[in-house]
Amino acid sequence: GESVGLHLPTLSVQEGDNSIINCAYSNSASDYFIWYKQESGKGPQFIIDIRSNMDKRQGQRVTVLLNKTVKHLSLQIAATQPGDSAVYFCAENNGNNAGNMLTFGGGTRLMVKP
Amino acid sequence: KAGVTQTPRYLIKTRGQQVTLSCSPISGHRSVSWYQQTPGQGLQFLFEYFSETQRNKGNFPGRFSGRQFSNSRSEMNVSTLELGDSALYLCASSINTEAFFGQGTRLTVV
Repeated sequence: GESVGLHLPTLSVQEGDNSIINCAYSNSASDYFIWYKQESGKGPQFIIDIRSNMDKRQGQRVTVLLNKTVKHLSLQIAATQPGDSAVYFCAENNGNNAGNMLTFGGGTRLMVKP
Repeated sequence: KAGVTQTPRYLIKTRGQQVTLSCSPISGHRSVSWYQQTPGQGLQFLFEYFSETQRNKGNFPGRFSGRQFSNSRSEMNVSTLELGDSALYLCASSINTEAFFGQGTRLTVV
């Protein structure tokens, strides 16, 4: 089946800098995308979502950008803090009958240097 | 408001055995989904239950099954365990499209 493609690279940033994490997806019919943060020993934690009728959505210190033309998602974290260190996953919801069936990317490890 | 609760947190089983994992969703959430997380395959969808019915199913063999009770609590069962079933099994509950995950059950098959 189609999948959200994201290898597991490591992004190392200095505390206070902005971080950008990228994700490519392959299912052009997907209409809902989510970013999750997973810390060691914990389950994924919802960060922000976006529907396909939007190009950009902002939250607290985070922004998600969606480019449907090239099937690309990005997560921007402003003023990155040590507590942001985690693995970040993008996901798309491919559920039938309005259900929940998330296809996850491989994840990106974010390391914040003090 | 209590989050998603999964039990047990850790489990060690022998090849060939079967295992049952439990998930209690957030109060009011009727959708419960299960995922398997491994270093090699990442996070993979197993199945989703809504109002005691399986609404979506992933590409896992029939050894993996689940059910949901009238109080929305869900269980998943894996029969004839294989070494490759060692993984973190995550449960997520949803009221609409936003899914909230539990901390998972770490299953080790030896």
